[in-house]
Amino acid sequence: DAGITQSPRHKVTETGTPVTLRCHQTENHRYMYWYRQDPGHGLRLIHYSYGVKDTDKGEVSDGYSVSRSKTEDFLLTLESATSSQTSVYFCAISDQGVNTEAFFGQGTRLTVV
Amino acid sequence: KNEVEQSPQNLTAQEGEFITINCSYSVGISALHWLQQHPGGGIVSLFMLSSGKKKHGRLIATINIQEKHSSLHITASHPRDSAVYICAVSFSGNTPLVFGKGTRLSVIA
Repeated sequence: DAGITQSPRHKVTETGTPVTLRCHQTENHRYMYWYRQDPGHGLRLIHYSYGVKDTDKGEVSDGYSVSRSKTEDFLLTLESATSSQTSVYFCAISDQGVNTEAFFGQGTRLTVV
Repeated sequence: KNEVEQSPQNLTAQEGEFITINCSYSVGISALHWLQQHPGGGIVSLFMLSSGKKKHGRLIATINIQEKHSSLHITASHPRDSAVYICAVSFSGNTPLVFGKGTRLSVIA
């Protein structure tokens, strides 16, 4: 299995608090992605990174920021969590982008109350 | 808007049946992925293809570029195949994947 770890796996937080989710990889893959998965929707891209300090927005980036200071870590931050950000969050990695196989983390279930 | 449509949304089959899941997309693509998500939530890549056909065990993925359509086939289905199967495409170059909503498969013994 590809070495990709998400933390935490579960989190309950209050509206208005900041939250940071971490994705850590041991594969030295260039591309890292953050998705959210909600009922009735396919996986939707929040942000992605194509190298250290190189990031770009996805389809549903409002309310989220990311940082990648090292190849192995990609952080997703909710600056002020809202109930609409209750979701399951997946991190994924790939070596050369979408034309190579993607590997997914186990997901983080975030509940904002 | 570039879209990915999967059918059916839900599928129930008897063990041993041949299963087909379909994926259609709106414009030309550079790559198509099939993924599997088990009830525990983990997502696993099954295939990545841009033309032709790939086979792995009882799973077969095909793509027809002209018709903008891909199929995932499962031969001799088994209850352990019960999962959500997800199609995802990149519409050009290295643009991020766009995902279908998934097909939920239940295989009954």
